[in-house]
Amino acid sequence: AQSVAQPEDQVNVAEGNPLTVKCTYSVSGNPYLFWYVQYPNRGLQFLLKYITGDNLVKGSYGFEAEFNKSQTSFHLKKPSALVSDSALYFCAVSDNTGGFKTIFGAGTRLFVKA
Amino acid sequence: DGGITQSPKYLFRKEGQNVTLSCEQNLNHDAMYWYRQDPGQGLRLIYYSQIVNDFQKGDIAEGYSVSREKKESFPLTVTSAQKNPTAFYLCASSAATGSGYGYTFGSGTRLTVV
Repeated sequence: AQSVAQPEDQVNVAEGNPLTVKCTYSVSGNPYLFWYVQYPNRGLQFLLKYITGDNLVKGSYGFEAEFNKSQTSFHLKKPSALVSDSALYFCAVSDNTGGFKTIFGAGTRLFVKA
Repeated sequence: DGGITQSPKYLFRKEGQNVTLSCEQNLNHDAMYWYRQDPGQGLRLIYYSQIVNDFQKGDIAEGYSVSREKKESFPLTVTSAQKNPTAFYLCASSAATGSGYGYTFGSGTRLTVV
């Protein structure tokens, strides 16, 4: 069965410092991995996805994520955090075994302090 | 601009009342989804539809109903059988239910029982 875990409920970082939001997953086949961001009282916005190819995926707003098959992780990163990056971040996973389902993590709240 | 429109943004329901949440998309997407979001629980799938006139139950379908009479529209009815309906409801769509497709989300409807 598919599952995804975001081990941190909250991440705090100072503006200008690098940030990492962690995600680990479990799937039967090859994983398809996604990151979404949610601002207050809004829907989720797509940031980036990994389907195949390079392990480092670049996405919107300067975010990137690194796929690590051996550690079954897909951590979201940004070299220099902005106060405006403060939001709720969701990792999501599906697989290539023919099922449709995308499973979302519980979310990690990112606070960037000025 | 293409996207998903959810209405209303805020909705109040009295005990024993049915209410319907609207979701319309102009992305020509085949698949549509309804999620419920509660604090600290991430997104839980209520119903999904892969094609017009067909829909399937998700993980928490009890007390909810849907229809898919048009490709563009996927309304969700919260019935009086749903005992704890206060939540943030998100509608999403994707090009297909294949695993590599990301989702486009609406801005959500916040439902409160009064």
